[in-house]
Amino acid sequence: DSGVTQTPKHLITATGQRVTLRCSPRSGDLSVYWYQQSLDQGLQFLIQYYNGEERAKGNILERFSAQQFPDLHSELNLSSLELGDSALYFCASSVGTVRNTEAFFGQGTRLTVV
Amino acid sequence: GDSVTQMEGPVTLSEEAFLTINCTYTATGYPSLFWYVQYPGEGLQLLLKATKADDKGSNKGFEATYRKETTSFHLEKGSVQVSDSAVYFCASGSSNTGKLIFGQGTTLQVKP
Repeated sequence: DSGVTQTPKHLITATGQRVTLRCSPRSGDLSVYWYQQSLDQGLQFLIQYYNGEERAKGNILERFSAQQFPDLHSELNLSSLELGDSALYFCASSVGTVRNTEAFFGQGTRLTVV
Repeated sequence: GDSVTQMEGPVTLSEEAFLTINCTYTATGYPSLFWYVQYPGEGLQLLLKATKADDKGSNKGFEATYRKETTSFHLEKGSVQVSDSAVYFCASGSSNTGKLIFGQGTTLQVKP
């Protein structure tokens, strides 16, 4: 158990809908990272937050947004869902930046868009 | 921008064979380098890391050396086991950008 909790584990929804994925980082970790893992794209970095502020942005679509709350949990919002958004979404957390600390990953949320 | 390139898989080996999975990176500055492993149905777990040039990370018989001159961080193990079958990801962590960037992953299958 990495200490990073993601909910829900599985999500099935229809095209055009909006969903929210939740991540609770390890106790004491200030950084949260979101990744999308699909069969053809590998593990794509979406966005990183550090202590409530956006720190780095990757290949995140405009239909997607995220935030980190004062209690340090984070949510990833996916809207106007398309079939191609079906993937495994991972959250990771670390104490600080990745320069000197490792990131711990949650079990992921498997999103299926039908 | 920063990127990580791994050798394509799948890699299929017999038990007790020697393993090498190649990884090269491009980055501004001096990133930390990591190898993560993903077993079926699970999240990624850190296998080993190195934070500066010439550092060697090691864990569970796996090792990798941070080579600044060749911008590489190849993963090696002297004798693989069936239980090592998994997907291995090389990653680069930049202090400048805050990003943790992964390679595309290499599937390892070890046969008895």
